[in-house]
Amino acid sequence: QKEVEQNSGPLSVPEGAIASLNCTYSDRGSQSFFWYRQYSGKSPELIMSIYSNGDKEDGRFTAQLNKASQYVSLLIRDSQPSDSATYLCAVRLPQGGSEKLVFGKGTKLTVNP
Amino acid sequence: EPEVTQTPSHQVTQMGQEVILRCVPISNHLYFYWYRQILGQKVEFLVSFYNNEISEKSEIFDDQFSVERPDGSNFTLKIRSTKLEDSAMYFCASGRTHLDNEQFFGPGTRLTVL
Repeated sequence: QKEVEQNSGPLSVPEGAIASLNCTYSDRGSQSFFWYRQYSGKSPELIMSIYSNGDKEDGRFTAQLNKASQYVSLLIRDSQPSDSATYLCAVRLPQGGSEKLVFGKGTKLTVNP
Repeated sequence: EPEVTQTPSHQVTQMGQEVILRCVPISNHLYFYWYRQILGQKVEFLVSFYNNEISEKSEIFDDQFSVERPDGSNFTLKIRSTKLEDSAMYFCASGRTHLDNEQFFGPGTRLTVL
């Protein structure tokens, strides 16, 4: 069973702090990794994609990928109350051109003013 | 900024009835997907569609489900005979290429089967 695991939280941080969200995946050959933000009752919104080892920064968001450890993380700097949401890690499996994304259960983040 | 749109936002139906969920993908995207999310659970892949045919489907996507791109803009998911366990949020997604596989989700249709 190909799995994507996330700490379900909830994770609570004060406004202005760094929020760190973690995700592990079981299929070593996975190549594409995504972070989605999902507000309650809404659809997933793509916020970051990462394909190679290392860090990728976009504004206040930094995605980090370590394929050897099968680990991907998302850092949110200067967290704002509007960042309060569930963050979904999604992985594209490597099999034969498959496009499907496998999602984790998500980590609920609360940013306290 | 272009967005995926879905209609209706909420569909209530009786068990055994057919439903059609509609999606308009982003206009220059070539890859289309349906996912569903049962309340409190993970987002689950149902089917991917490219070049007017299904490219992949999950074990959830049984004979009761079908997809169609009836014209140049719409992408539909039909459930032939709904069951109580089909109650979920159904999300349509589209992607420009499959190489980077970035998939952009629509707002979803909440399906309630009574």
